[in-house]
Amino acid sequence: SAVISQKPSRDICQRGTSLTIQCQVDSQVTMMFWYRQQPGQSLTLIATANQGSEATYESGFVIDKFPISRPNLTFSTLTVSNMSPEDSSIYLCSVEGQGVYEQYFGPGTRLTVT
Amino acid sequence: DAKTTQPTSMDCAEGRAANLPCNHSTISGNEYVYWYRQIHSQGPQYIIHGLKNNETNEMASLIITEDRKSSTLILPHATLRDTAVYYCIVRGDNNNDMRFGAGTRLTVKP
Repeated sequence: SAVISQKPSRDICQRGTSLTIQCQVDSQVTMMFWYRQQPGQSLTLIATANQGSEATYESGFVIDKFPISRPNLTFSTLTVSNMSPEDSSIYLCSVEGQGVYEQYFGPGTRLTVT
Repeated sequence: DAKTTQPTSMDCAEGRAANLPCNHSTISGNEYVYWYRQIHSQGPQYIIHGLKNNETNEMASLIITEDRKSSTLILPHATLRDTAVYYCIVRGDNNNDMRFGAGTRLTVKP
């Protein structure tokens, strides 16, 4: 299984600022995914990030608000831009297992916007 | 949108089997059934997946009906640490992302 770390684990940010979340995997993976989990809700896919190409965003999420970088096969970042209190959520990255179908999730970044 | 229906919550006595149902009546032939769980404040954890045959691993068993329109995740001897939200997900083998529904909140009671 893949070991995934995220930084920061939590943060409290002011409205209007931006936060970049890092996701590091201990092995090379083709696809990485970013999810959002709003308080008391299930997970919602934000985008899929492949190395060497632009991220593919799900309906309701746009690159200007959630720019993603994927510079190599073990790392990705998600930026939450111009934050508002509605962006307060847990943000999780995940990767697909090597040669298998399950996904592995990071521990998440708990973001609070005041 | 999620393609599954699960009960909102369930209780189970510690040491007993927990049987979590999932309806996926619109599942197509190339779609797998996956189960994940999320313990409070942690990322989701893979449990098991299957296509049409029943599956068993060290964590659980997955029973899929013959018509594949529903399945049941079985935790054979539930412990307090199994208290979590359990998600049933269907996904095709040509899709890579997991689409989560609301899940079932399982509470294991002493």
